[in-house]
Amino acid sequence: SQQGEEDPQALSIQEGENATMNCSYKTSINNLQWYRQNSGRGLVHLILIRSNEREKHSGRLRVTLDTSKKSSSLLITASRAADTASYFCATGDMLTFGGGTRLMVKP
Amino acid sequence: DTEVTQTPKHLVMGMTNKKSLKCEQHMGHRAMYWYKQKAKKPPELMFVYSYEKLSINESVPSRFSPECPNSSLLNLHLHALQPEDSALYLCASSPSAGETQYFGPGTRLLVL
Repeated sequence: SQQGEEDPQALSIQEGENATMNCSYKTSINNLQWYRQNSGRGLVHLILIRSNEREKHSGRLRVTLDTSKKSSSLLITASRAADTASYFCATGDMLTFGGGTRLMVKP
Repeated sequence: DTEVTQTPKHLVMGMTNKKSLKCEQHMGHRAMYWYKQKAKKPPELMFVYSYEKLSINESVPSRFSPECPNSSLLNLHLHALQPEDSALYLCASSPSAGETQYFGPGTRLLVL
């Protein structure tokens, strides 16, 4: 069963704009991960944030974690058409995935 | 070699067929996973192997039978599937259970 929800379910932006996706989860966690999936193919690991971290950066990605609200956000800055994909958060050792956000970046 | 490979990429089978999906990794990972993903839905965990032993079976019907012949290979044997089993089947591996997982490209299965 899904751990939580992602918001929005779909997001369409212009190239160069920032994209923000949110994830909520239900149970206590040790870490939270974000994955990206292109066109229904394999998932690619983007970033892992531990429960004692509040913010983490990787290139154009910025992830925040608020354990009191059981929520996380993924910010992609200066988006590119190649960022078009579905983005999932996942929690737990055995990865329970959120519903995902389908991001479309228009050139 | 830093990737997980899956074969075949596509598979069409009838409800009476027997087929197998294969997954391979040469990263020395000791945990391997099977996921099922329906269209526009997140992946759902099916099985976990840790050190070649089945450690988690998420109440998957017996028409799906996993096998881990060695630490690099993971198979999913399919028999008497139903049309609702049509989905993308993803394999993943991690250094050990609970660590970051690396996914293969998936096998898109259609059951007629």
